[in-house]
Amino acid sequence: EPEVTQTPSHQVTQMGQEVILRCVPISNHLYFYWYRQILGQKVEFLVSFYNNEISEKSEIFDDQFSVERPDGSNFTLKIRSTKLEDSAMYFCASSEASGKTIGSYEQYFGPGTRLTVT
Amino acid sequence: KNEVEQSPQNLTAQEGEFITINCSYSVGISALHWLQQHPGGGIVSLFMLSSGKKKHGRLIATINIQEKHSSLHITASHPRDSAVYICAVMGDSNYQLIWGAGTKLIIKP
Repeated sequence: EPEVTQTPSHQVTQMGQEVILRCVPISNHLYFYWYRQILGQKVEFLVSFYNNEISEKSEIFDDQFSVERPDGSNFTLKIRSTKLEDSAMYFCASSEASGKTIGSYEQYFGPGTRLTVT
Repeated sequence: KNEVEQSPQNLTAQEGEFITINCSYSVGISALHWLQQHPGGGIVSLFMLSSGKKKHGRLIATINIQEKHSSLHITASHPRDSAVYICAVMGDSNYQLIWGAGTKLIIKP
């Protein structure tokens, strides 16, 4: 069964460093998403991406964040200058289509990358 | 104000019991999702529904659009059902999934 994969599973970085979290969505999916979950808190939407551009982004997704689909398979989240409060689990997801199309589509989640900023 | 509220926050039950987890939301939605988060953190989509009822094995999800309420039921619960169950809604005006805080379910043998 196709699945979303994420690398690395755990990333430790120092405050101020740049990190890139990588995701390989399911191959025929068109929409890609990043979410984060700070330890003990609810999952929060960061950004959705379609047709090589951002569809939606939350207030959390400020200028330190960026997303890219550098090739036909990878989808990356870059955090430019990490802060302590960026420590969280980051989940990538993909779906065949977005919630706004007729009949919403399920999102399939990767296993997550645990980011620890020290 | 939370746009998605779940109850209860925590639920402990004995194996075999019938489980109900509730979700209320305050926004217009295009779909509601039920997801399961395992202790290791992984998230699995269980259901996505916009009306009526869906069933997968021992899991049943219902939604009442007029009342803005959904329930997730587990019949003949088993210790392997122990996980956090999360309700999330896709708004009808954007592409963002709005997540509830989750219900931590523990099924004791």
